Amino acid sequence: AQTVTQSQPEMSVQEAETVTLSCTYDTSESNYYLFWYKQPPSRQMILVIRQEAYKQQNATENRFSVNFQKAAKSFSLKISDSQLGDTAMYFCAFLGGGGTSYGKLTFGQGTILTVHP
Amino acid sequence: DVKVTQSSRYLVKRTGEKVFLECVQDMDHENMFWYRQDPGLGLRLIYFSYDVKMKEKGDIPEGYSVSREKKERFSLILESASTNQTSMYLCASNPSGTGGSGSNQPQHFGDGTRLSIL
Repeated sequence: AQTVTQSQPEMSVQEAETVTLSCTYDTSESNYYLFWYKQPPSRQMILVIRQEAYKQQNATENRFSVNFQKAAKSFSLKISDSQLGDTAMYFCAFLGGGGTSYGKLTFGQGTILTVHP
Repeated sequence: DVKVTQSSRYLVKRTGEKVFLECVQDMDHENMFWYRQDPGLGLRLIYFSYDVKMKEKGDIPEGYSVSREKKERFSLILESASTNQTSMYLCASNPSGTGGSGSNQPQHFGDGTRLSIL
């Protein structure tokens, strides 16, 4: 079974600065997908970014980028130019490849990020 | 945009009651999921369904059952609610991949139901 670990329960950052959230995972699979989801106080879970394990290039979405280290099984999220609207709970999630996963995700414990003005 | 709607944002029930949590999605997705979210534990999968009338247990199915009579609707049932089922419940959906069962598509989530069992 896969496990996902987020070792930072809470993080804070000043507006306009950069912050990195950590995530590690454990799997014996070689083909899989990794996601970062954001859950603001409104509770709507929103997909931030997605990485496919067979792609060596790190995914980027505007101010959000990942550092994917497959050998180390590490998948960190970097938020540049932090904004007040980035304040949220962030979840790292793992999706195993293969035909019978039905898209089931394994989530980490979450990291609460607070952006201060 | 995909819309996943959960019937209640807040719900208070009593111990021993039968509780229904409803979820509807409007994008004809094959897969639907029920999670519970607890502080320090993240989201844990209770049950999922990959087709009408089909269901499979997730990681923590004890004390819960589900029903999927129509493709767009997935219900979570607490047969006899207990205080340890007080939690946030999240519903999600995603489409199947080619070939049916596999899917690498992101899940779309509802707003969650905060359920308190007194």
